[in-house]
Amino acid sequence: AQKITQTQPGMFVQEKEAVTLDCTYDTSDPSYGLFWYKQPSSGEMIFLIYQGSYDQQNATEGRYSLNFQKARKSANLVISASQLGDSAMYFCAMREANAGGTSYGKLTFGQGTILTVHP
Amino acid sequence: NAGVTQTPKFRVLKTGQSMTLLCAQDMNHEYMYWYRQDPGMGLRLIHYSVGEGTTAKGEVPDGYNVSRLKKQNFLLGLESAAPSQTSVYFCASRDPGPPEQYFGPGTRLTVT
Repeated sequence: AQKITQTQPGMFVQEKEAVTLDCTYDTSDPSYGLFWYKQPSSGEMIFLIYQGSYDQQNATEGRYSLNFQKARKSANLVISASQLGDSAMYFCAMREANAGGTSYGKLTFGQGTILTVHP
Repeated sequence: NAGVTQTPKFRVLKTGQSMTLLCAQDMNHEYMYWYRQDPGMGLRLIHYSVGEGTTAKGEVPDGYNVSRLKKQNFLLGLESAAPSQTSVYFCASRDPGPPEQYFGPGTRLTVT
């Protein structure tokens, strides 16, 4: 079963508008972490934002915020005031704990969403 | 401070050839990882290491071997390359505690 699902292969947004990229996850572990990474056309993986399963508030980092809905198992990324430089592939990822409670940080990635920002 | 570096950046192999990809990090991180990225599939974990001298299998370990003889280096080996191993390979590292993994720039490998 897919542990991380990103249902939007591609998204388009007008410059300066906000956009939401969807991510749902599947885990029975009470302790987990959710990440978003950006991959521009140059190929590098850029860390954007992190949400722990026990965090009470939604994570925010500048123009990025994570809309964490634990009961629905969703961790959507919201980008406010889109810029042309935001055009990239975006990956949602999850870290679970192993049996014994240690995950060593292994990440499971979704398939990604290509975001295109139009001027 | 170079972060995570990968050598080489590009490589073309013939089926059956062998090669080693080198990952080096200068952040003194305990944990290191090798992922592969195929079109439409996101990144998948091949092998990882939680300290010098240790390695463990990830989601897709078949056809690969790894070694971590020094804390700063994590080597990924292909003993007999196959076209199915054509991919982009990413190395990453982190320390226990902070959640962020730091990724290298990637190695694009083509097996013909």
